[in-house]
Amino acid sequence: QKEVEQNSGPLSVPEGAIASLNCTYSDRGSQSFFWYRQYSGKSPELIMFIYSNGDKEDGRFTAQLNKASQYVSLLIRDSQPSDSATYLCAVNTNAGKSTFGDGTTLTVKP
Amino acid sequence: DVKVTQSSRYLVKRTGEKVFLECVQDMDHENMFWYRQDPGLGLRLIYFSYDVKMKEKGDIPEGYSVSREKKERFSLILESASTNQTSMYLCASSRIMNTEAFFGQGTRLTVV
Repeated sequence: QKEVEQNSGPLSVPEGAIASLNCTYSDRGSQSFFWYRQYSGKSPELIMFIYSNGDKEDGRFTAQLNKASQYVSLLIRDSQPSDSATYLCAVNTNAGKSTFGDGTTLTVKP
Repeated sequence: DVKVTQSSRYLVKRTGEKVFLECVQDMDHENMFWYRQDPGLGLRLIYFSYDVKMKEKGDIPEGYSVSREKKERFSLILESASTNQTSMYLCASSRIMNTEAFFGQGTRLTVV
């Protein structure tokens, strides 16, 4: 089992819809959780981080964390074509090491 | 703005060559990381460093070494390049543990 698993995708949604990206992790000692967006040919950039159970909202983005279920998700509301990218889930252990999932490629169709 | 700069965007090297990939960050971050990114395999951690002259192995350290002589600079060394090391290499830094990582622009290395 991989340490961090994401829904494999690709995921395609129409413009204006909600895109839901999911991530599970195996290390119960994981401390912090990040979502990065990576456009084709570019480097990853941070979208959201979350440390505590529950929801965290930032504009059209909501991160959800459930440590008991070892699950973290990213919801993108009112999806736009500019949201089309690969989304990477990253999980940090107590030692500070980041482990990334393989990514989910999202396409938002106009 | 944090800036993480990798010395080369594209590199082509021959099998058996010793290859140096350089990374510099300008925000006095404590931690620096080297990843490689391959299609279908995601981002994999090669080495990281949480202080000058300190280094820790990541998930795939074989065939690589690192050097951190100054806080702002973290070098990745391929002792004897092989074709299976053809990849995109990404350097990143973070202020302290468990905070976001800032990435360089990446170096696409091709070993022929």
